[in-house]
Amino acid sequence: DAGVIQSPRHEVTEMGQEVTLRCKPISGHNSLFWYRQTMMRGLELLIYFNNNVPIDDSGMPEDRFSAKMPNASFSTLKIQPSEPRDSAVYFCASSRQGGNSPLHFGNGTRLTVT
Amino acid sequence: AQRVTQPEKLLSVFKGAPVELKCNYSYSGSPELFWYVQYSRQRLQLLLRHISRESIKGFTADLNKGETSFHLKKPFAQEEDSAMYYCALSTHAGNMLTFGGGTRLMVKP
Repeated sequence: DAGVIQSPRHEVTEMGQEVTLRCKPISGHNSLFWYRQTMMRGLELLIYFNNNVPIDDSGMPEDRFSAKMPNASFSTLKIQPSEPRDSAVYFCASSRQGGNSPLHFGNGTRLTVT
Repeated sequence: AQRVTQPEKLLSVFKGAPVELKCNYSYSGSPELFWYVQYSRQRLQLLLRHISRESIKGFTADLNKGETSFHLKKPFAQEEDSAMYYCALSTHAGNMLTFGGGTRLMVKP
């Protein structure tokens, strides 16, 4: 199993541009999470899905952020328009549903907005 | 709402010295506690969880409900232990994890 796959690994874009981050969870996992990691704030949960349905998006910072999960094997996180303060590493993670199931993280996407 | 606090952003020790990474939590119910580790240029991965009562890479962590703590300990630190460590909490309501701010452990030769 290749694990959770994220793309791209690095993204550099200019302020105002649209950014789309992609994630393929581990097959058979029915929970998917998007996290943002910064030096100042550590790991913040943005949104998570169970069985492709968004359950909690209270961590999504602004309306500029949106996430979708059209099927069990794919999710996107979109920022439109992007701003320099969005620069961070964005992690996707998946797990089997259930309180004891560990999260499996992707390698992350390092986003730089200039 | 649940909260996880890691008071130290950076912990620097010499090789062979004991290590304790502190983690405190607040949650009114019975939590599940985890430690995740992120080595340089690698993905975040599970190190250990309190329900397993296991020792991984020499690390242990005991859940102290009285002190609401889940400190990570290792008697003799190794250089390869240098990494970012995150304490995390999950409630029985689901497997959404709340992470602490992380502690960077540096083990010097």
